[in-house]
Amino acid sequence: QVLLKESGPGLVKPSQTLSLTCTISGGSISSDSYYWNWIRQLPGKGLEWIGYIYFSGSTYYNPSLESRIAISVDTSKRQFSLRLTSLTAADTAVYYCARSARDYYYAMDVWGQGTTVTVSS
Amino acid sequence: EIVLTQSPGTLSLSPGERATLSCRASQSVPSSYLAWYQQKPGQAPRLVIYTASNRATGIPDRFSGSGSGTDFTLTINGLEPEDFAVYYCQQYVRSPHTFGQGTKLEIK
Repeated sequence: QVLLKESGPGLVKPSQTLSLTCTISGGSISSDSYYWNWIRQLPGKGLEWIGYIYFSGSTYYNPSLESRIAISVDTSKRQFSLRLTSLTAADTAVYYCARSARDYYYAMDVWGQGTTVTVSS
Repeated sequence: EIVLTQSPGTLSLSPGERATLSCRASQSVPSSYLAWYQQKPGQAPRLVIYTASNRATGIPDRFSGSGSGTDFTLTINGLEPEDFAVYYCQQYVRSPHTFGQGTKLEIK
């Protein structure tokens, strides 16, 4: 059973940079059958797709965040990471990582439990 | 950007009833790239339907999806207590991949 787990700081100061990591267990990250997403959910709000990465390192970002984000992958550790710069309170959210699978026409079939990030001084 | 509008915002029904949730897209979305997710409080979303009409693994057959173009529907027949949750549609044919604002299915 494939499991995803997010890790990172729960509290970050405004203007700083957020770094989150998603660790995959029970499966491979190095397959062209998958790509790996970051999604966030603002407090009491809906879902916002941030971007995704293939194991090869190719990335696709939400244009609204593209200037502030970078997603990277470390296949040796079975991890992929999100870096979000110039944080403001508006970035306070639950951040999820999720897998998109070819078997599901790249719908997101496995999700992490989410990690809450608060941006506050 | 493709905007997905879900209706109703809240649906109040009793166990055993049928739920019909709508998702309307601002541009045509190929069925292959339309999914539905269920989210319960404090939990991550869970894939329910992919390619507009296929149930994900482990999803009971009381869940069904339909639609094409700009209009998609998630139907839940014979609601069970565990079905009450928020449901989101999502398109991923075009960047940015967007979600609807969600329909909250609550117990009447």
